[in-house]
Amino acid sequence: SYELTQPPSVSVSPGQTARITCSGDALPKQYAYWYQQKPGQAPVLVIYKDSERPSGIPERFSGSSSGTTVTLTISGVQAEDEADYYCQSADSSGTYEVFGGGTKLTVL
Amino acid sequence: EVQLVESGGGLVQPGGSLRLSCAASGFTFSSYWMHWVRQAPGKGLVWVSRINSDGSSTSYADSVKGRFTISRDNAKNTLYLQMNSLRAEDTAVYYCTKCRPQPDGGMDVWGQGTTVTVSS
Repeated sequence: SYELTQPPSVSVSPGQTARITCSGDALPKQYAYWYQQKPGQAPVLVIYKDSERPSGIPERFSGSSSGTTVTLTISGVQAEDEADYYCQSADSSGTYEVFGGGTKLTVL
Repeated sequence: EVQLVESGGGLVQPGGSLRLSCAASGFTFSSYWMHWVRQAPGKGLVWVSRINSDGSSTSYADSVKGRFTISRDNAKNTLYLQMNSLRAEDTAVYYCTKCRPQPDGGMDVWGQGTTVTVSS
């Protein structure tokens, strides 16, 4: 079955830039999406179609794609950005959706 | 206000059945694809199932195929997940999600979740 691979954890100091990667063989063909989930809350979509930002999401969140890897970048990280982040995409045929395993972002 | 409200979760014995419901409001429900996503305690998000806007096309994760059925009633603005032959590993919070308009994709609205516990 198709898998998306994320690092389990990323740590950054406030004001620095955090980069979270997501790798998958079908990413050149399928869009990727990113979600932020804070403890006890439902996830929130922060990036869609690889690099588009929904309304209401701060400009410090951005997304990019290169080959089989997509990257969520958070510039000028703030304490409130500490959360779990998940990438999501589809298999090459578009039949199945899949989430990455999630990355815990720690703001030191 | 755009809102999704799940219901129907609870405690069920292995092999039992449950039907989850998701009441949608604040948007034209019949125009959007919908998903179910689950999250086991302390674990990550797992996609479960998807249905297109008119209910004519569905898709399932391998782990639930043949046991779960997704459906919708556009007249009632409600999404359903019929879960049969439940197993301990189905224990999770189940979220109903709304998809952004095709072909954009992405789940832009999430419910608060309903908890399913499969245990004897």
